Amino acid sequence: EAGVAQSPRYKIIEKRQSVAFWCNPISGHATLYWYQQILGQGPKLLIQFQNNGVVDDSQLPKDRFSAERLKGVDSTLKIQPAKLEDSAVYLCASSFSWTRDGTDTQYFGPGTRLTVL
Amino acid sequence: AQTVTQSQPEMSVQEAETVTLSCTYDTSESDYYLFWYKQPPSRQMILVIRQEAYKQQNATENRFSVNFQKAAKSFSLKISDSQLGDAAMYFCAYRIPDDKIIFGKGTRLHILP
Repeated sequence: EAGVAQSPRYKIIEKRQSVAFWCNPISGHATLYWYQQILGQGPKLLIQFQNNGVVDDSQLPKDRFSAERLKGVDSTLKIQPAKLEDSAVYLCASSFSWTRDGTDTQYFGPGTRLTVL
Repeated sequence: AQTVTQSQPEMSVQEAETVTLSCTYDTSESDYYLFWYKQPPSRQMILVIRQEAYKQQNATENRFSVNFQKAAKSFSLKISDSQLGDAAMYFCAYRIPDDKIIFGKGTRLHILP
C-alpha cells in the first residue's frame, strides 16, 4: 500500500513570497490533516478535512494560510505571504475515517521542510 | 488548556538495554486517549502505542510498553531490548473525544552500539 505522498520535500523562499505544498493521502482515506512542526516542537494541527469539508481549522492563521481539498482526495496548503516564523516542517497525514474515540490511526507523509529567509 | 510535557529533551541507551521515556499531561477531562509516536530522521511519524484512559491495563506492543498512572497524569514509554532502529524522536500525545491530538515537544533517543 502506497503511503502519504508530499511534495516538495524542501523549499526555500524569501519572506513575503508565496508557497504551496501538495499532499496525496492513502487511497480510500477520507480524513486528511495538515500539521506544522516548528523545530524543537511537536506537530500542531493546522487543518483537518473530512472528505472535502473542513472539520477543524481553529489553529490555521487564516490571514495568510489557506488549504483546499476540492475533490476529497489530494490537498494543497498555501502560505501567502510567508513570514520568517513560518519556517517549519509541514506534515500531511491521512486516516481511513475520523473517530471520536481516537481509534483512527493517522498515517503521516515525509513532510515538506520550509525555510523562509 | 490541555498540555503535554516531556521533560527529557534527549536520552541515550546502550543497544539491547531498556529505556524509559517520561511524559506528563494536564487535563480536567476523565475520558481521553494517550499516544506515543516515533519520528525517525525520515520525518515520517509512526504510531507506536495507544492507551485509553478508561483502561487500567497498560498497553503493550512487542518491545514497547507504557506505564499509565492516571491519578498522577503520567504516561511513560518503556522500550525493552533497544535496537539501533529505535533511534528517533519520540512524541507523547493526548486527545479527548471529538478533538485534535496535542503533541509534546519530544524526546530524542540515541541508541549506542
